[in-house]
Amino acid sequence: NAGVTQTPKFQVLKTGQSMTLQCAQDMNHEYMSWYRQDPGMGLRLIHYSVGAGITDQGEVPNGYNVSRSTTEDFPLRLLSAAPSQTSVYFCASSAGTGTYNEQFFGPGTRLTVL
Amino acid sequence: GNSVTQMEGPVTLSEEAFLTINCTYTATGYPSLFWYVQYPGEGLQLLLKATKADDKGSNKGFEATYRKETTSFHLEKGSVQVSDSAVYFCALSGYNAGGTSYGKLTFGQGTILTVHP
Repeated sequence: NAGVTQTPKFQVLKTGQSMTLQCAQDMNHEYMSWYRQDPGMGLRLIHYSVGAGITDQGEVPNGYNVSRSTTEDFPLRLLSAAPSQTSVYFCASSAGTGTYNEQFFGPGTRLTVL
Repeated sequence: GNSVTQMEGPVTLSEEAFLTINCTYTATGYPSLFWYVQYPGEGLQLLLKATKADDKGSNKGFEATYRKETTSFHLEKGSVQVSDSAVYFCALSGYNAGGTSYGKLTFGQGTILTVHP
C-alpha cells in the first residue's frame, strides 16, 4: 500500500493563477480531508468528504474548491491564488467518521504564492 | 466550539531527559484525543490515542492519559532520544453543536522538540 499520496511536493504560483493539488489513497477509505499548516497555528481543516459525491466545508474553505468523484481521489483546487494561501497542505484519509478513527496523512505539498 | 491548547515551545532537552508536553482541550461531549508527530520534511503520523476518560495511550515509550476532570492529555516520555526530535501535535476528534462528528480533527499549535546528544 502506498497509503496517501500527494502531488506536487513543491509549487510556486503567481497571484491570480489557479492550480489543483492532487491527493489519492489506496486504502478504500470513505473519509478524506484537506488541512493547511501555518506556523504557530497547527493544522486547520479546509474541506472534507465522507464519501464519493459528498463534500463539505471545514474551518477555512474560502478560496478553495473540492470534488470527490471516486473513493480514491480528492483534489483541492485553488481558484485564484493569493499570498495568504502560502502554506503547507496535507491530505488525510480515514476508514470512517467516528471520533476514534485514526487519520492517515500524506507527505504534504508546500505552496508559495508570490 | 472545540479547541486544543498546547504548551508553548520550542522545547530543547538533552538525551535521556524527561519530557512533558502539556495539552488541554475544550470540547462538546466526549471526544477522542490524539498525539501526532511530524518528523522533518514528512507528514503527520499517529503517535498514540485515547478514546475515553482514564484511557492511557502509549507507543514508543511515550504515554498520555485522558483526564476528563482536568480536560488534559499531557504527553510524557521518561528518557528522550535524539531521534525524538520532531514537532508534536495534540488533537481531538469531537462533535459539533448538532451532535455529529464527521471525524474532523482539531489541532493544537504544535510543539517543536529538539533533543541534543
